[in-house]
Amino acid sequence: AQSVAQPEDQVNVAEGNPLTVKCTYSVSGNPYLFWYVQYPNRGLQFLLKYITGDNLVKGSYGFEAEFNKSQTSFHLKKPSALVSDSALYFCAYGGATNKLIFGTGTLLAVQP
Amino acid sequence: DAGVTQSPTHLIKTRGQQVTLRCSPKSGHDTVSWYQQALGQGPQFIFQYYEEEERQRGNFPDRFSGHQFPNYSSELNVNALLLGDSALYLCASSGWGQGGFYGYTFGSGTRLTVV
Repeated sequence: AQSVAQPEDQVNVAEGNPLTVKCTYSVSGNPYLFWYVQYPNRGLQFLLKYITGDNLVKGSYGFEAEFNKSQTSFHLKKPSALVSDSALYFCAYGGATNKLIFGTGTLLAVQP
Repeated sequence: DAGVTQSPTHLIKTRGQQVTLRCSPKSGHDTVSWYQQALGQGPQFIFQYYEEEERQRGNFPDRFSGHQFPNYSSELNVNALLLGDSALYLCASSGWGQGGFYGYTFGSGTRLTVV
């Protein structure tokens, strides 16, 4: 079965330090992979997607993610964290005509 | 360019009642999907509409039904509400263009509370 895993419930990082939020996938065929961010009581905001092409994908608000086929990973990264980056982050898998399958989410807490 | 619009933003209903949630997709998108997000969980796929027909359905009972209109907007209907239906309901639109697949754009959601 297709699945996406986010192994960390919470990630803590100091402001100005680099951050990584992990995601691994288990899918057949070529994956469409997405990262979304959710602030309290809000919908999902799109950060970036990988469909084909370069393995390093650059997205909104300075975030990027690297698609690693051999490790079946799609980790979200940012060189320098901001307090305002504190939110719930979701990795998702989906094809163009398929449903999105979400991970369980990772709460990112950036300390000043 | 307006994104995905959902209405209402909040709703309180009593067990056994029926509710209708509405979604207007982003301009240029022709596919609408609905998701249920319970507190502390990731969104779960309910169903997807394309060309006014249900194209895919997740593991939700028949109490959950939907509709897509010719202008691509969509409704989600839930009958015989249960306490467990309390959740944030998210609408996502998607589509294809000259640049390929647009991806999914989500609305801000409707917070449904069943009492």
